[in-house]
Amino acid sequence: NAGVMQNPRHLVRRRGQEARLRCSPMKGHSHVYWYRQLPEEGLKFMVYLQKENIIDESGMPKERFSAEFPKEGPSILRIQQVVRGDSAAYFCASSPSMDEQFFGPGTRLTVL
Amino acid sequence: EDQVTQSPEALRLQEGESSSLNCSYTVSGLRGLFWYRQDPGKGPEFLFTLYSAGEEKEKERLKATLTKKESFLHITAPKPEDSATYLCAVQGARGGGADGLTFGKGTHLIIQP
Repeated sequence: NAGVMQNPRHLVRRRGQEARLRCSPMKGHSHVYWYRQLPEEGLKFMVYLQKENIIDESGMPKERFSAEFPKEGPSILRIQQVVRGDSAAYFCASSPSMDEQFFGPGTRLTVL
Repeated sequence: EDQVTQSPEALRLQEGESSSLNCSYTVSGLRGLFWYRQDPGKGPEFLFTLYSAGEEKEKERLKATLTKKESFLHITAPKPEDSATYLCAVQGARGGGADGLTFGKGTHLIIQP
């Protein structure tokens, strides 16, 4: 059973561009969570999704950030008009229920 | 607001020297307390879930315990491959942002041969 997959692993964008991060959950997992890890800080919850529904987006900035988990295909975290402060590691986790969350390897976003 | 504080921030041990990592938490209605291990450049690796005070779980050289205010991760006779950052997280009552985990900043553990 493959683990959580994220791509790309590394992403470089210039200020003002869009960043699109993908997450494929583990087989059989219908709950997806996105977290951000800034240098020297802990992991911060951003958004929780189930298939085709955003359940909790209380940790996600109101502007420029959006997330989706379509019926078919991976979950997408989209950041529009990136700024240098968006540089971070973004982790996706999946869960078969609402308990243990299993994390992917992360996408390291660098904004130039 | 849920909060997690881990101590120490960093810990250096000799191989075979047992110790404990601390995780203090405040949460509204604990649904679960989680321990993860994170290696540099990688995602967190799940270790344990604890649900109620008094509960204990073990895996190889690691043992996690839980009280109403804190959790301990005991490491017995550690080896260099146990070197990593250990993360503690809590999940509070449903709703209001508590569906996600609230993480501490971690304890960076180094085991010297």
